[in-house]
Amino acid sequence: GAVVSQHPSWVICKSGTSVKIECRSLDFQATTMFWYRQFPKQSLMLMATSNEGSKATYEQGVEKDKFLINHASLTLSTLTVTSAHPEDSSFYICSARPTGREKLFFGSGTQLSVL
Amino acid sequence: EDQVTQSPEALRLQEGESSSLNCSYTVSGLRGLFWYRQDPGKGPEFLFTLYSAGEEKEKERLKATLTKKESFLHITAPKPEDSATYLCAVDGGGADGLTFGKGTHLIIQP
Repeated sequence: GAVVSQHPSWVICKSGTSVKIECRSLDFQATTMFWYRQFPKQSLMLMATSNEGSKATYEQGVEKDKFLINHASLTLSTLTVTSAHPEDSSFYICSARPTGREKLFFGSGTQLSVL
Repeated sequence: EDQVTQSPEALRLQEGESSSLNCSYTVSGLRGLFWYRQDPGKGPEFLFTLYSAGEEKEKERLKATLTKKESFLHITAPKPEDSATYLCAVDGGGADGLTFGKGTHLIIQP
């Protein structure tokens, strides 16, 4: 099956610093990847759609200058949380859909804790 | 706007006690309904995709069914390792990712 690799799994950082999260599709190409955020005991909320070679599409209420997305190749998308604050602490999950297939495959997630 | 409601929020069963989880949805045009399993601190793991009313799929102790308004995930004679949060999601046909419900937190006691 399709594999999506996400790194790091855990990150703890000080308030004001930036954190980069990587999402790679290991055995397929993905022109589109999705970034979700999940708070404890809550559902996955779509943050943005990452498009290879073009700008990401952000959901309403998500600050594009705070959550920078780069999709430089067909197998890699990155999410950078800039000037992180404690309220950004959450579980971030990426996903990708192989071309021609409808189901999404998810990375293992990144737990971000901002002190 | 696509909406997904899952019930119950939490369910505690004895090992071997069968039950069903519900997923009610509202979508303008259903391209697919998905069931995922999520363990604590991990990303969702794909279980099933259902595309049209009347469709059923099975995998080990799990069976998913679909009507025009809801889907059920039936779990037969569950084991403790089936404990997890089960997420339901719909693809409404837009370019965006899936719309998820809040999930059902299932605990199977030995």
